[in-house]
Amino acid sequence: DGGITQSPKYLFRKEGQNVTLSCEQNLNHDAMYWYRQDPGQGLRLIYYSQIVNDFQKGDIAEGYSVSREKKESFPLTVTSAQKNPTAFYLCASSTLAGGPKNIQYFGAGTRLSVL
Amino acid sequence: GENVEQHPSTLSVQEGDSAVIKCTYSDSASNYFPWYKQELGKGPQLIIDIRSNVGEKKDQRIAVTLNKTAKHFSLHITETQPEDSAVYFCAASILTGGGNKLTFGTGTQLKVEL
Repeated sequence: DGGITQSPKYLFRKEGQNVTLSCEQNLNHDAMYWYRQDPGQGLRLIYYSQIVNDFQKGDIAEGYSVSREKKESFPLTVTSAQKNPTAFYLCASSTLAGGPKNIQYFGAGTRLSVL
Repeated sequence: GENVEQHPSTLSVQEGDSAVIKCTYSDSASNYFPWYKQELGKGPQLIIDIRSNVGEKKDQRIAVTLNKTAKHFSLHITETQPEDSAVYFCAASILTGGGNKLTFGTGTQLKVEL
């Protein structure tokens, strides 16, 4: 959606397994974000990045890791340390604040389930 | 940190009626308030936003009002249509020079009945 591609759409994780969710954007945005969505809890921020090779923890970073080697890409790894990974994961991107258009645009999401 | 509360969690209206969703925020420094619409199985899409230097903003059938003193803002949808049925999220953030870190409300499931 809106130039942000998330893959896969559905993902299954076995116990003790790390899995990586892909997020690519072609909007030339500097900032990228990962959110977790659970029923009745809205969207919660996991990690965000404002520039290549730099990222910050959000509100629920435990059990997750990210990298930002390219401006267009911000993959999220759900590690085996995340004991309750079943959720809908959303990636977003935006310009840096201060510009005229700093709206966050979202991808279509990845639904992760535990086998 | 910021805390955003959203009410109601579900809202059912008849087609053509108006719908109002309300949010409150805790951090008086917040200055940017977007509203997102999420359809089933899709990512949220921005439908309207407001900044703290404005009290009201309107875009066709959708309007948002902001009361900075009371720290609450509301989404108003007039002449509702079946395609308005979706989950709506409010959010708040402090726009700085480092991105747009949003805090979301818990969502309102709007159902427009024929």
